[in-house]
Amino acid sequence: DQQVKQNSPSLSVQEGRISILNCDYTNSMFDYFLWYKKYPAEGPTFLISISSIKDKNEDGRFTVFLNKSAKHLSLHIVPSQPGDSAVYFCAASTYSGSARQLTFGSGTQLTVLP
Amino acid sequence: DVKVTQSSRYLVKRTGEKVFLECVQDMDHENMFWYRQDPGLGLRLIYFSYDVKMKEKGDIPEGYSVSREKKERFSLILESASTNQTSMYLCASRSGTEAFFGQGTRLTVV
Repeated sequence: DQQVKQNSPSLSVQEGRISILNCDYTNSMFDYFLWYKKYPAEGPTFLISISSIKDKNEDGRFTVFLNKSAKHLSLHIVPSQPGDSAVYFCAASTYSGSARQLTFGSGTQLTVLP
Repeated sequence: DVKVTQSSRYLVKRTGEKVFLECVQDMDHENMFWYRQDPGLGLRLIYFSYDVKMKEKGDIPEGYSVSREKKERFSLILESASTNQTSMYLCASRSGTEAFFGQGTRLTVV
C-alpha cells in the first residue's frame, strides 16, 4: 500500500503559467516533506522542503503548501519555464527503525510548453 | 559541493550473473540508501545503512544484498541477476532530512 501518492502521472502547462503538483500521504507519523526534481539519466535533486509544523515554504519560484488535516501537499511553480520540464517526486520522512527514512511517491512528469 | 558517485551509468548483464553496484559519497554521512526507480512506481527503497557494517532491509530487499565496509562506500549486490531486476538504481546519502543522490545506474539484465 503506497503511503505517498502522486495521482497525476503527467501534467502539461504553458510557459509563464502556474504549475501545481499534488501529493497525498496516509502515514500521520510523517513530519517532514520534500520535493525532488529528476531529469532523464540523472539522479533526483532536492528542490524544496517543509516541516510539519509549517503550512507554507517559499523559495523563489517554488512554493510548497502543506495541509496536515487533509494529509495533502502541493508544489506551485510560478512562473513555469521550459527548463522546469522534469519528473517531480514528492517524499515524506519519519523515523523508522534506526534511521530517518524517506518514502517517495510515484512521480509526476511536468512538461512546460514554450 | 556534495557528491555521490555511482561507479557505472549503464550496465548490461546476463541472467544469473552476480552484479555489483558501487556508490561512494564524500560528505561523511552516516546514512546511505539504495533505491530502484521504475515507471509508475517511483523510488522504492531496497536497503539502507545507518553506520559502517550496519544494514537494514527496505521495502523490496528480495534478490539483493548490500555491503558497507567503509563509511563512504555502500555496495548493492545482485546475487543472481534476473530480468525483473532491469531498472534504474539510485544511491543516496543523507545527514539530517535531505538526501543527496548519485546520477543513477541503468541496469539491463538480458
